[in-house]
Amino acid sequence: DIVMTQSPDSLALSLGERATINCKSSQSVLSSSNNKNYLAWYQQKPGHPPKLLIDWASTRGSGVPDRFSGSVSGTDFTLTISSLQAEDVAVYYCHQYYSTPRTFGQGTKVEIK
Amino acid sequence: EVQLVESGGGLVQPGGSLRLSCAASGFTFSNYWMTWVRQAPGKGLEWVANMAQDGSEKYYLDSVKGRFTISRDNAKISLYLQMNSLRAEDTAVYYCARGWASLDYWGQGTLVTVSS
Repeated sequence: DIVMTQSPDSLALSLGERATINCKSSQSVLSSSNNKNYLAWYQQKPGHPPKLLIDWASTRGSGVPDRFSGSVSGTDFTLTISSLQAEDVAVYYCHQYYSTPRTFGQGTKVEIK
Repeated sequence: EVQLVESGGGLVQPGGSLRLSCAASGFTFSNYWMTWVRQAPGKGLEWVANMAQDGSEKYYLDSVKGRFTISRDNAKISLYLQMNSLRAEDTAVYYCARGWASLDYWGQGTLVTVSS
């Protein structure tokens, strides 16, 4: 199974600050057939289901604000919130869909300082 | 508008069974893989199973293989999860979600509690 390890487990930042969440996969999730990374990011607010933010490592989902961005370097993935807003308070999860079983990171909780 | 509505959760004793349903609307259900994901109280997300559009492919988390069965009825626009031999560690909110790759729509979830 591919293990997804997120860091940090939590972070608290001021409004307007840049938030960076990391996710490392235990093996490559890059497909040689289409050169795509099979990696998504989700946002989950308390009492709500997860919401897709980014897939294919860097493609924003429909209606997702452009302050959210995804990047990759090898097996290291990053979700960046360029300017933290109050409504971004949530837990964020990475998810690999390269192989079965699909696996998620343990989550990163983002709070306002 | 895409909607996924789960039902069928509840309190069940260890060793018991439950059947979860997920009613879909707002999209052509028969064109999509569907997935079940669960979340234990206060914990992270765990993929459980997924199923191809025509039911020809099904995949399961190892810990539920032989106990859970994913199925669908495209005529009734519904996804199901039959859960047998339930254990305390199966206690979770169960979400159905659309997709084989990323999961672009999720239901609100249904809570399954396994306890005596």
